Amino acid sequence: GEDVEQSLFLSVREGDSSVINCTYTDSSSTYLYWYKQEPGAGLQLLTYIFSNMDMKQDQRLTVLLNKKDKHLSLRIADTQTGDSAIYFCAESIRGSTLGRLYFGRGTQLTVWP
Amino acid sequence: DAGVIQSPRHEVTEMGQEVTLRCKPISGHDYLFWYRQTMMRGLELLIYFNNNVPIDDSGMPEDRFSAKMPNASFSTLKIQPSEPRDSAVYFCASSSVRLGGTEQFFGPGTRLTVL
Repeated sequence: GEDVEQSLFLSVREGDSSVINCTYTDSSSTYLYWYKQEPGAGLQLLTYIFSNMDMKQDQRLTVLLNKKDKHLSLRIADTQTGDSAIYFCAESIRGSTLGRLYFGRGTQLTVWP
Repeated sequence: DAGVIQSPRHEVTEMGQEVTLRCKPISGHDYLFWYRQTMMRGLELLIYFNNNVPIDDSGMPEDRFSAKMPNASFSTLKIQPSEPRDSAVYFCASSSVRLGGTEQFFGPGTRLTVL
């Protein structure tokens, strides 16, 4: 299957780290993505990781991939109020559905000042 | 590049009316996707095209929904007749697998309200 699961809500205080988690079921994934959706806007790519990598760091963002457990996480260091948004995990899969992404429900991150 | 362009940005209509949503993908992209987003169901894939050909329309809710892609630079999603439960934000996205990536670029969405 291509189920991608995320928790729906996360609240953190400004300056703390946020960790958003995602699990997926298909082991033939090629890329795993994190998208960000701000209010009233479309989804924008935040970062991605190739499935043969374990970690990727990009400024305040750290992506960790545990292929054995099919678990993906996004860590945002020094979370700011501007990081408040919905974060979607997505995977692409080899084979006939190449091109399609499978999205999770999204995690609403709220950052309190 | 202007990115994915959708029109209109907002649409308010009455039940029973025909609604047409429009999308212009990023030039050179070979995949186009239509999604619907609601609080209850999250982000749902309705249909996607590869090189203007529909590949998978299993997400289209029912026969009232139809989508076309007459050329590489234009697609429409039509709802006829519209119902209040169709109220949602509809997103169009495009990608270029041909160029080696599967990242999807999303438009700003069309917020549809059916009264």
